[in-house]
Parts: sequence; C-alpha cells; structure tokens
Amino acid sequence: QKEVEQDPGPLSVPEGAIVSLNCTYSNSAFQYFMWYRQYSRKGPELLMYTYSSGNKEDGRFTAQVDKSSKYISLFIRDSQPSDSATYLCAMGEGSSNTGKLIFGQGTTLQVKP
Amino acid sequence: DGGITQSPKYLFRKEGQNVTLSCEQNLNHDAMYWYRQDPGQGLRLIYYSQIVNDFQKGDIAEGYSVSREKKESFPLTVTSAQKNPTAFYLCASRFITRGGYTEAFFGQGTRLTVV
Repeated sequence: QKEVEQDPGPLSVPEGAIVSLNCTYSNSAFQYFMWYRQYSRKGPELLMYTYSSGNKEDGRFTAQVDKSSKYISLFIRDSQPSDSATYLCAMGEGSSNTGKLIFGQGTTLQVKP
Repeated sequence: DGGITQSPKYLFRKEGQNVTLSCEQNLNHDAMYWYRQDPGQGLRLIYYSQIVNDFQKGDIAEGYSVSREKKESFPLTVTSAQKNPTAFYLCASRFITRGGYTEAFFGQGTRLTVV
C-alpha cells in the first residue's frame, strides 16, 4: 500500500464549477500537508501549505485537513480554464523525523470554457 | 533573484554513460531533494539531504548518486546502472526550523532522454 493515495483522474469540469481534489494517507506521523499545481513540462508550484487539522483559505483555494481520518482535500471555487493542470498533494513527517517529503500520484484537472 | 536553478533543461544520454544533473539554490535552504517523475505519475523520491556532507536514500535510489559538498548545491548523477533513466527530474529545497520543516519549493526540472 502506498503511503499517499490520490486519484489520478482525469477530472473534467465546466468553467465556474467547484472542484474537489482529495488525498488519503496511511502514515500517522505526517504533520505537514501541501498542495502543488504543475503545468505540463514545468516544475510544481506551491499552492497551499498547512500543518493543522481544519480549513485554510487563500483566494479561490481552500485546503482541508482531517488528521483523524487521514484525509486531505483541496477545493477550487469558480474554476477557470487557467486552473487546468495536474494537482499534487505532498506530506511530511514532524520535527523528529527523517525529512522525507512524499507525494501523491497527482490529479489531472481540465476546466472547459 | 532567489530561487532554485536546475540545469540543463534538456539532457541526452547515450547508453552506458553517466550524466550529472545540476541543482543550485540561493534561498539558504537546509534540505534538498531529488525526485523523478514519469509520464502520468507522481513524484518519486530518489535522494534527499538535510545538511552538508550528509544524504539519505529515497524510495528509488538504485542507479543514482548524489553529493552535498556545499549548502547551495545538490548534484545528481545518473549512472549506467540505472536501466530506465528517461524521465523528468525535479529538485526541491526547504528550510528546517526548530518546529520542523517548512514548505518545499521546486526548480523547473531537467528532462533526461536516453538515445
């Protein structure tokens, strides 16, 4: 079983839709959670970073963490064609850890005009 | 202009050759990472380093080697022992704080092709 599971999609939505992207994990030592956006043939770009359960909002993006269920989500409101990309979740352990940063497989999102 | 610089952007390797991918950061980050990405897949960890002159194997270290002689540099060598090296290679870095780790930032990647 992989430490981090993410549905690869593809996910296709109309412009203006609310998008929900999800990851589950099995390692209870994960304390840091990140979401990245990656355009084709480019390096991943950090979207959100959080280390606590609950919601964190930044513009049209909301990151949600539920440590009890080992489940994280990224919501995109009012989705735009420019949001079409691959979205990667990433997780790291706490301070007394190895420093490893583990990624999900990535979900490919297409927002149609 | 701070950031993470990977070079070259494209690299071609002949069978049996070793090649070295460069990763330099001027962010004063402590930890540096190398990942491999294959088409339609996520990032798989090759090697990572938390301090100078120390590094650890990731999940797919076989056929790769690294060094960390300077804080700002973390070169990756793809050796001839790596049987399927064609992939997109990404370097990342981040701070290590008293409370743990901060978010990681990435370079723009090197696309390696075996010819």
